[in-house]
Amino acid sequence: GAGVSQTPSNKVTEKGKYVELRCDPISGHTALYWYRQSLGQGPEFLIYFQGTGAADDSGLPNDRFFAVRPEGSVSTLKIQRTERGDSAVYLCASSWGGGQSEQFFGPGTRLTVL
Amino acid sequence: GDSVTQMEGPVTLSEEAFLTINCTYTATGYPSLFWYVQYPGEGLQLLLKATKADDKGSNKGFEATYRKETTSFHLEKGSVQVSDSAVYFCAHYNQGGKLIFGQGTELSVKP
Repeated sequence: GAGVSQTPSNKVTEKGKYVELRCDPISGHTALYWYRQSLGQGPEFLIYFQGTGAADDSGLPNDRFFAVRPEGSVSTLKIQRTERGDSAVYLCASSWGGGQSEQFFGPGTRLTVL
Repeated sequence: GDSVTQMEGPVTLSEEAFLTINCTYTATGYPSLFWYVQYPGEGLQLLLKATKADDKGSNKGFEATYRKETTSFHLEKGSVQVSDSAVYFCAHYNQGGKLIFGQGTELSVKP
């Protein structure tokens, strides 16, 4: 079956611009996660959705970052007034029920802020 | 707080050499432990896992044993291949269900 997909695979933008990154989880997975992976580092948690609601957004670095999942499936990570430090690979993962269920990762979106 | 520490890379080995990548963790309770692998140009894939103390996870010739007493989950393989070249991440869940990752260890296997 189809895995987690993310679009775009690469995004180059200029400092100060707004970007949206999309994640399509595995069908039927209720839990969805966003992580950020900086160069040479492991992924770091940003936000977790259970259904349509953000169950834990403690990893979002500041109020420029926001994510939604309006119908409990596709999620969009939104970054306002991008900064060069936002450059990273943004990973999405989904799982059946959250908790300690296995998370399946998408290929990521590489964001470069010039 | 919760954390994962891995040995620093890059690790360079010849084909058929023995591999060990050390991983230790700090966590509340006894979380499930994981090794993920990221092949060049690909996304993160689960390599193996262990859900309780003394469990051994294994896959593709790789093994790791959940050691509660030393809070470790070292990855081993008896004979590496060129195709094993990748970045390996140790991880565990915290009590909130978030995956906590180590910084990754790059493995390069030469023919």
